[in-house]
Amino acid sequence: EAQVTQNPRYLITVTGKKLTVTCSQNMNHEYMSWYRQDPGLGLRQIYYSMNVEVTDKGDVPEGYKVSRKEKRNFPLILESPSPNQTSLYFCASSLSGAREQYFGPGTRLTVT
Amino acid sequence: KNEVEQSPQNLTAQEGEFITINCSYSVGISALHWLQQHPGGGIVSLFMLSSGKKKHGRLIATINIQEKHSSLHITASHPRDSAVYICAVRRGSNYKLTFGKGTLLTVNP
Repeated sequence: EAQVTQNPRYLITVTGKKLTVTCSQNMNHEYMSWYRQDPGLGLRQIYYSMNVEVTDKGDVPEGYKVSRKEKRNFPLILESPSPNQTSLYFCASSLSGAREQYFGPGTRLTVT
Repeated sequence: KNEVEQSPQNLTAQEGEFITINCSYSVGISALHWLQQHPGGGIVSLFMLSSGKKKHGRLIATINIQEKHSSLHITASHPRDSAVYICAVRRGSNYKLTFGKGTLLTVNP
């Protein structure tokens, strides 16, 4: 089954404790992206990747890192999480940046 | 002012009604996406368009590039159409997406 998977789905952590949210797709898509969704602000793009080893900032990259060492994986790294990074995070992929996107199920992160 | 504005923010309809959700944007774009998010959070892409009109089942999306405006129409609405509908634009030649805040649609039986 073609899908985008994210892990974990739910995470509660404390300020400053490094964490990684994994994203994987099995559709051989070149483009992958991370978004966060907050009440009243909607969805906002954090980082995106056009292909392996090619990443670029979205509108809200501060406090996040990404890497794209393999085509199928695009992890989101929070090296020192803060409470303002409490949010619902979505990973998405598409055949290219110019095609429709397939979204993962979301990761709900709470930083206390 | 947000680069992408949706209207209305909330919409309640009776089953069977024709629904229109609007999206206006203020920047040059290369494509516009319509997404659907059901309660519980999952997001599904409905349409991606850069000109004209697309139709899938009871859903129709149109875009007017000159007027910087897109509409999503739902014909013969059904309670299962109840969801948040989100418009997103791809700006120029890069692959960033900017999103509207969404329209919450409730269709009552």
